[in-house]
Amino acid sequence: NAGVMQNPRHLVRRRGQEARLRCSPMKGHSHVYWYRQLPEEGLKFMVYLQKENIIDESGMPKERFSAEFPKEGPSILRIQQVVRGDSAAYFCASSLRPGTGSSGGELFFGEGSRLTVL
Amino acid sequence: GQQVMQIPQYQHVQEGEDFTTYCNSSTTLSNIQWYKQRPGGHPVFLIQLVKSGEVKKQKRLTFQFGEAKKNSSLHITATQTTDVGTYFCAAPGYFGTGTSLTVIP
Repeated sequence: NAGVMQNPRHLVRRRGQEARLRCSPMKGHSHVYWYRQLPEEGLKFMVYLQKENIIDESGMPKERFSAEFPKEGPSILRIQQVVRGDSAAYFCASSLRPGTGSSGGELFFGEGSRLTVL
Repeated sequence: GQQVMQIPQYQHVQEGEDFTTYCNSSTTLSNIQWYKQRPGGHPVFLIQLVKSGEVKKQKRLTFQFGEAKKNSSLHITATQTTDVGTYFCAAPGYFGTGTSLTVIP
């Protein structure tokens, strides 16, 4: 049973370009989460999605960032017009049960996508 | 989202010494999870605590959930170099600030 798959593992973009990060959850998992981690810092929650729905986007910047989890295919985190401050590791996690709230289920993390903005 | 604070932010210990990290929330938590992230790696689930006052052990690791369900702790007995990493508590989905553990051989 494959784990959470993220690609690309490393991505280099110039300022103003777009970055697209993909996440395929574990088989059977319909709950997906995106986190951002700066060097030597913690995991900052960005967004929680269930198939075709955004459940909680309280951690998403209001501009340039968007996420989707279509009925078919991986979840995608899209960053438009990247700036140097977007350089970070972006982790995706999936769970069998909702990972937030009272029923919180265990989160399985991918190995992350490391974005570098030149 | 939930706000959980962890202390200390960094901890250096001599191999064989004990280590404890504390997690505090301003609100009552339904449950709390702990994760470990090795340097350069991704977070890995360790345990989930649900009941008030619950204590769980995994070999040298002891996890506690406070009676009021607002705080939790992770204690490692006789640290080893393999314990190096950052330990995060999580009010499901929302991660604490983490404690980075360095073990000096």
